[in-house]
Amino acid sequence: GAGVSQSPRYKVAKRGQDVALRCDPISGHVSLFWYQQALGQGPEFLTYFQNEAQLDKSGLPSDRFFAERPEGSVSTLKIQRTQQEDSAVYLCASSLNFGDPSYNEQFFGPGTRLTVL
Amino acid sequence: AQSVTQLDSHVSVSEGTPVLLRCNYSSSYSPSLFWYVQHPNKGLQLLLKYTSAATLVKGINGFEAEFKKSETSFHLTKPSAHMSDAAEYFCVVSDFGNEKLTFGTGTRLTIIP
Repeated sequence: GAGVSQSPRYKVAKRGQDVALRCDPISGHVSLFWYQQALGQGPEFLTYFQNEAQLDKSGLPSDRFFAERPEGSVSTLKIQRTQQEDSAVYLCASSLNFGDPSYNEQFFGPGTRLTVL
Repeated sequence: AQSVTQLDSHVSVSEGTPVLLRCNYSSSYSPSLFWYVQHPNKGLQLLLKYTSAATLVKGINGFEAEFKKSETSFHLTKPSAHMSDAAEYFCVVSDFGNEKLTFGTGTRLTIIP
């Protein structure tokens, strides 16, 4: 079956532009996560949805970052007025979210590589 | 707050020799621990996970890890390295009852033919 897909795979933006990154989770997965992976670093948590509810956005680095999942399926991460420090790979993951959350496996998409010039 | 420390940023081993990737964790509660692998231009893939059952965890591709609470460690091992094991490996922790993952900085594994 299809895994998590993300689009676009690569995005180049000029400083100050707005960008929108899309994530299509595995069908039926309740939980959806966004992570940011800077060059040479491990992924860092940005935000988390359970269905359409955004339960944790503690990792969003500034108010220029906004995420939504209006129908509990596809999610969009929007970055306004992009800055060079926003350059990174943005990863999306989804999980079934059944029973004890510790047992839920997160399945990752291939990521969107954002380069801000 | 939860965190992990991967003690080596880069490990090189010869093909056919054992692999050891080291990880220490810090967690306020009973943690879940994971190892993920990231091949170039591919998504992160779960190798194995510890969730308070057996302390020795077996994963895919011959990898295993042992949870040692007294040492707060979760080292990843494989008896015999294969060329296809060359990749970036991440040690990951989540607190009990929480799906949010905290990643280490990664260890790049190089296999020497």
